[in-house]
This record gives sequence, C-alpha cells and structure tokens, in this order.
Amino acid sequence: AQSVTQLDSQVPVFEEAPVELRCNYSSSVSVYLFWYVQYPNQGLQLLLKYLSGSTLVESINGFEAEFNKSQTSFHLRKPSVHISDTAEYFCAVSPSGGYNKLIFGAGTRLAVHP
Amino acid sequence: DGGITQSPKYLFRKEGQNVTLSCEQNLNHDAMYWYRQDPGQGLRLIYYSQIVNDFQKGDIAEGYSVSREKKESFPLTVTSAQKNPTAFYLCASSIGEINSPLHFGNGTRLTVT
Repeated sequence: AQSVTQLDSQVPVFEEAPVELRCNYSSSVSVYLFWYVQYPNQGLQLLLKYLSGSTLVESINGFEAEFNKSQTSFHLRKPSVHISDTAEYFCAVSPSGGYNKLIFGAGTRLAVHP
Repeated sequence: DGGITQSPKYLFRKEGQNVTLSCEQNLNHDAMYWYRQDPGQGLRLIYYSQIVNDFQKGDIAEGYSVSREKKESFPLTVTSAQKNPTAFYLCASSIGEINSPLHFGNGTRLTVT
C-alpha cells in the first residue's frame, strides 16, 4: 500500500525568504507524484506533477519540486515567497499501475508573514 | 468555462437526518470522486466512479452512499449511520487515465449538530 508523509504541519516564513515543504512517500510500485495547493474555503488546485523524465519539475508561479527515488521524496521549494503563497499544500501519490487513485498527505500550512 | 460545481457551500443538519451533497461537472470527465477533509488528516477517499452506473468504495465509505446515473453528476448522501459527519467534502473529476490530475470543486462544509 502507498502512503504519504508531509513532515511539517505548519511552516511560517517571512516574505521573500526561501521555503521548502517536505514530502516523503512509501510504495512498493512506481508512482506518479503531485503537489496541490488549497486556498481558504476552496478546493484543491494542481500545482505541479512528476510523471517521468526530468526529476525536477516546475510550476508557473515559481515553485519547483524534485523527485528523489532513492530517498522516496518529492520536496517542494520556492526561492522567494510572497504573501499570496499563504495556503495549504498537499503532496499526493498515484500508483503507476491500476486505476487513477490519489493518496494524499495530511497537508502543510504555509504562512507567509510581511 | 468548464468546471465542477458543488452545492450548497455550507450545509447544516440535525443529527439523525440524511443529507445529499450535489456535485456536477461539465468537463466531460469519465471519473468522479468524493473526498472528505478533516483538519490535520488531509483528504480521504469516500467513493469513486470510473464510469456511469458504476462506483466503488474508497477508504472511508461507511455511512455514505452515492449514485452515478449521469456522466456529469455524482451526488453523495451522508446517512445517519455516519458517526462523525461534520467535515469539509470535496468532489473531484478526472479523465480517468492513470496519470491524469484531479480537478476539484470548491467544497461543501457540512455541520451536523
């Protein structure tokens, strides 16, 4: 069975500082990896995904994540955060075989302070 | 614009009553899902449907029921058998292929007292 662990439930950071949100997963099969973002009282939006190829994937708003197979990690990073990045971030995995069924981590609340 | 519509946004019910949450999509997606979100627990899968007239239980299906009579609609009924129904419920859809991302609605917050 697959599982996802987000190591930090909350991450406070000052505006323009770098941030890393950590995600580790366990799986006996190959997986696809996703990061979703949720703003207050809204649904989740896809931020970025790793399916295959380059282990470094980027989003349009400056976030990036690196797939590390040996460490079974998919950490999310941004070199300089903005107040508008304040949200909850979810890491998710989907097994590469079988039906498309996402398994989510518990989420990390990113709070950006001025 | 295509998307997923969940209604209502807020819902209040008395304990012992069944309640149905609506989810409609106009993305022409084959697959639809219901997740429950509780603070500190992330999202947990309740039910999912790969195609019309077919659905499967997720990880926490007890106390819930669904139907999929139309491609665009996947209503969720929270029954009186659900022991702790107060939560934020999210509906999602996808084209159904193994690596396809999920598109989410804005959720319904259900409070049962």
